[in-house]
Amino acid sequence: QQQVKQSPQSLIVQKGGISIINCAYENTAFDYFPWYQQFPGKGPALLIAIRPDVSEKKEGRFTISFNKSAKQFSLHIMDSQPGDSATYFCAASTGGSYIPTFGRGTSLIVHP
Amino acid sequence: DVKVTQSSRYLVKRTGEKVFLECVQDMDHENMFWYRQDPGLGLRLIYFSYDVKMKEKGDIPEGYSVSREKKERFSLILESASTNQTSMYLCASSLYQGGNYNEQFFGPGTRLTVL
Repeated sequence: QQQVKQSPQSLIVQKGGISIINCAYENTAFDYFPWYQQFPGKGPALLIAIRPDVSEKKEGRFTISFNKSAKQFSLHIMDSQPGDSATYFCAASTGGSYIPTFGRGTSLIVHP
Repeated sequence: DVKVTQSSRYLVKRTGEKVFLECVQDMDHENMFWYRQDPGLGLRLIYFSYDVKMKEKGDIPEGYSVSREKKERFSLILESASTNQTSMYLCASSLYQGGNYNEQFFGPGTRLTVL
């Protein structure tokens, strides 16, 4: 059973465009939602994270939008750059667990 | 900076061989994890450990075992490698903060091919 569903599996965007990756979850106990970024040949690394007491968190060109009632959250990459080309994983966890549940990942390609 | 290192970037083994994948972290983290990454399947947890000599099964432990004799080192063992274990293996570590949210730090991965 997939507890965190991520879409799309792959995404191609032109330079300067907006990349949007969506995740949905079922477990209402989840209360921490990180996004990890993985470049080719590297391990994933934490990009940005949100807790459900806010509906949006922005760090530079990266924004997480969170909809608690719909149990959905998304990553928006504004002004996408070729250097953003990577695989992105959403995840969810509870405060009592140190093990995140990962989505299946989205491969983003930004064309110059 | 946290550093998680894995013993090999690429490994080619024969079916039936015993395979050891080693992971070392240098930040005194309590928690360590082994994942495998396959296209379209994301990151799947094989085993994790929250203390020396402690281990817990993840979602896909079949065919694998682990060892944690020292805090900084977590080994993944394939007792008898099979072709369906061809994959990217990622090690991760995190700090135990008593219920707080803990960032996972990943190694660069070992791409294992079983022939």
